[in-house]
Amino acid sequence: EVQLVQSGAEVKKPGESLRISCQGSGYSFTSYWISWVRQKPGKGLEWMGRIDPDDSYTNYNPSFQGHVTISTDKSIRSAFLQWSSLKASDTAMYYCARQQAGNGDFDYWGQGTLVTVS
Amino acid sequence: EIMLTQSPATLSFSPGERATLSCRASQSVSSYLAWYQQKPGQAPRLLFSDASNRATGIPARFSGSGSGTDFTLTISSLEPEDFAVYYCQQRSNWLLTFGPGTKVDFK
Repeated sequence: EVQLVQSGAEVKKPGESLRISCQGSGYSFTSYWISWVRQKPGKGLEWMGRIDPDDSYTNYNPSFQGHVTISTDKSIRSAFLQWSSLKASDTAMYYCARQQAGNGDFDYWGQGTLVTVS
Repeated sequence: EIMLTQSPATLSFSPGERATLSCRASQSVSSYLAWYQQKPGQAPRLLFSDASNRATGIPARFSGSGSGTDFTLTISSLEPEDFAVYYCQQRSNWLLTFGPGTKVDFK
């Protein structure tokens, strides 16, 4: 069974750093990209960027470039989303999603990690 | 950036009714359009890829159609569990974008 399991909810203060994780299981981890999607409270979905776990190649949405870093550790089948300096406007639910290599659709999603910055 | 428009923002139906949801792209995305369903407190779920390819486990009452700039998601007879928010998403361009969503709620 394909699963993406994300790390738990976080409460942080502005200016703090944070790394959240997404661990895949039940499939060949390096055969699919992992994307991160933001959803602010009561709002829609925003694609932040993606990583190829095989070679760690990343693409970022220009709206998020420079503010977040996406990384991966294929030895532990995990992808990460990190901030060096959080802002209150980063308060949101963050989802990881599996993406077929070659810019496919998001066929499996993690359960989400709620990040609150206050 | 390819913009996706979903209107109206909310549609109200009674169970058993037919629902037709629209998604329009600012430029052609060929058939590279997906539909997702999101219920409160849950992650989105893939319904259709490439406009009309039903994902695994999606009931046959759901259908997807369209190409180019105009796409439709149809639910032939609404079940209580279908009341949710529906998003379209394009993958024609490397910069992936979602529509703002259409909420299907009870009349």
